[in-house]
Amino acid sequence: DAGVIQSPRHEVTEMGQEVTLRCKPISGHNSLFWYRQTMMRGLELLIYFNNNVPIDDSGMPEDRFSAKMPNASFSTLKIQPSEPRDSAVYFCASSLDRFSNTGELFFGEGSRLTVL
Amino acid sequence: KNEVEQSPQNLTAQEGEFITINCSYSVGISALHWLQQHPGGGIVSLFMLSSGKKKHGRLIATINIQEKHSSLHITASHPRDSAVYICAVVIGNQFYFGTGTSLTVIP
Repeated sequence: DAGVIQSPRHEVTEMGQEVTLRCKPISGHNSLFWYRQTMMRGLELLIYFNNNVPIDDSGMPEDRFSAKMPNASFSTLKIQPSEPRDSAVYFCASSLDRFSNTGELFFGEGSRLTVL
Repeated sequence: KNEVEQSPQNLTAQEGEFITINCSYSVGISALHWLQQHPGGGIVSLFMLSSGKKKHGRLIATINIQEKHSSLHITASHPRDSAVYICAVVIGNQFYFGTGTSLTVIP
């Protein structure tokens, strides 16, 4: 299995630009999570999906952030417009367990975003 | 208020030593995860616990629900164990992460 695949691995953009991060979960996994990691705040859960449906998006910082999961094999996290404080590493993870928040997590390698 | 407290923040050990990392939490949880983050940044899930004890190779994780405490033990530590170890608890639909323990194992 290829594992969780994220793209891009690195992105540098200017303030105000739209950023789209992509994630392909492990085939057969029914839960998908987006996390953000910064030096100041550590790891934070942004949103998670179960069977393509957003279950909890209370961690999404602002309306500038949106996430979609149009099908079981693809999810996007979009930031529009981006700001320098959005600079972070964004991780996607997936889980097989139907109790979506208690199963073993499999992480992608992360997308490092720098907003200038 | 931090729902998850980890200790120690930093730990340096000699190769071969037995290592313990602690995680305490303040409210009832549905699960607890131990994660490992290597210097390159990748994150690996080591254990998911809701009760008792789990073992994988040289790693052992325990949880005491009554005391709201979990420990991660590494036996016969090795330089390749050098990483940041992160405890995460699941409360309702939310994950709460500890600040991590940075472990360095010296040959």
